[in-house]
Amino acid sequence: LAKTTQPISMDSYEGQEVNITCSHNNIATNDYITWYQQFPSQGPRFIIQGYKTKVTNEVASLFIPADRKSSTLSLPRVSLSDTAVYYCLVNNNAGNMLTFGGGTRLMVKP
Amino acid sequence: GAVVSQHPSWVICKSGTSVKIECRSLDFQATTMFWYRQFPKQSLMLMATSNEGSKATYEQGVEKDKFLINHASLTLSTLTVTSAHPEDSSFYICSARPYGSPKGNEQFFGPGTRLTVL
Repeated sequence: LAKTTQPISMDSYEGQEVNITCSHNNIATNDYITWYQQFPSQGPRFIIQGYKTKVTNEVASLFIPADRKSSTLSLPRVSLSDTAVYYCLVNNNAGNMLTFGGGTRLMVKP
Repeated sequence: GAVVSQHPSWVICKSGTSVKIECRSLDFQATTMFWYRQFPKQSLMLMATSNEGSKATYEQGVEKDKFLINHASLTLSTLTVTSAHPEDSSFYICSARPYGSPKGNEQFFGPGTRLTVL
């Protein structure tokens, strides 16, 4: 399983755009990149998933360069309620279990 | 859609007792469910993979006789912490993979169960 590396923590202010980068140098050809959000004492919540280039949904955008060895989760105009831990995961579509890395603890300040 | 529930949401028990945690997929069938454990300010650690109608597969270091997993139906998996001790106090989270999902890695997580062993 490809290992992921993310910053341990990030601070931001309300209204700013936040970009969290994840490194996954050993990503395999069949691997997808998925981001989850977790609030304290809650289960993780799916944010976005991508394979290459750019993916956008109503919550976030995911940028993946051509070599796919990293990815960047972009949260537009964060609010206080976006304060959470964000996990980057890499796994294939074969139904294997998900392996969570350390995650990035985002703190949004007023 | 794709809602996973856990019961109870929190439980406090005495050392030496057993506690059962239920994980249910409410609006879909799940042939595979996963159980995770999360200690404060740490990441989720996979404990076991539970397949309907078969024995669970445990991760290295997880005692199968202590953490009993039963996946008797396509919508229910249970985790029983037997002879619980204070070091078993943790946040237990399950996830479920929808049966027949075209996305093999799609999983939906439950809200978690906070276990405190006194």
